[in-house]
Amino acid sequence: ETGVTQSPTHLIKTRGQQVTLRCSSQSGHNTVSWYQQALGQGPQFIFQYYREEENGRGNFPPRFSGLQFPNYSSELNVNALELDDSALYLCASSLYGADEQFFGPGTRLTVL
Amino acid sequence: GENVGLHLPTLSVQEGDNSIINCAYSNSASDYFIWYKQESGKGPQFIIDIRSNMDKRQGQRVTVLLNKTVKHLSLQIAATQPGDSAVYFCAENAPEGGGYNKLIFGAGTRLAVHP
Repeated sequence: ETGVTQSPTHLIKTRGQQVTLRCSSQSGHNTVSWYQQALGQGPQFIFQYYREEENGRGNFPPRFSGLQFPNYSSELNVNALELDDSALYLCASSLYGADEQFFGPGTRLTVL
Repeated sequence: GENVGLHLPTLSVQEGDNSIINCAYSNSASDYFIWYKQESGKGPQFIIDIRSNMDKRQGQRVTVLLNKTVKHLSLQIAATQPGDSAVYFCAENAPEGGGYNKLIFGAGTRLAVHP
């Protein structure tokens, strides 16, 4: 069984640029959730994808968007990057309707 | 590696002692609670969970207690080991319309185990 994987591990961007982060869900899981974790804080829910559609969203602006593919992998896209977007971005996979979510190692994004 | 929880409250314990980490949750409608462990450079790792119809659940060296009256959750780690050093987060699952599950995380506590 393969766990949740994310790429890249680290990324440095400048303000105003766009970024795409990738996540492969754990084998057998069909739902992917994305979280943002600022330094020294707990993760905050961005959105969840199921059946290739956004299934729920937290308090994040529209410049945060995502995709889910038929193989259940997912992308997080952030446009017009701001300094405050610097954070660890975590992907979690689960079975739809199940409570347990399993996290990947995260992508550390630094915006200069 | 990743510096998780630079400014979090810290619990310092001696190796072999028992540790108790506390958490207050926010939503009285939450029906599922999880404790995660996060080491530097890694994502949160599942430790133990509990549903709202229970008040105690035990795992290997860990026990979670749930007090719904005061919306309080605690994680007890028996015979704490150096490998337990990490940041610990509680998370609640508040049911949302549309069938999706959203985890709400607490602020986290850093556990430092000293030999």
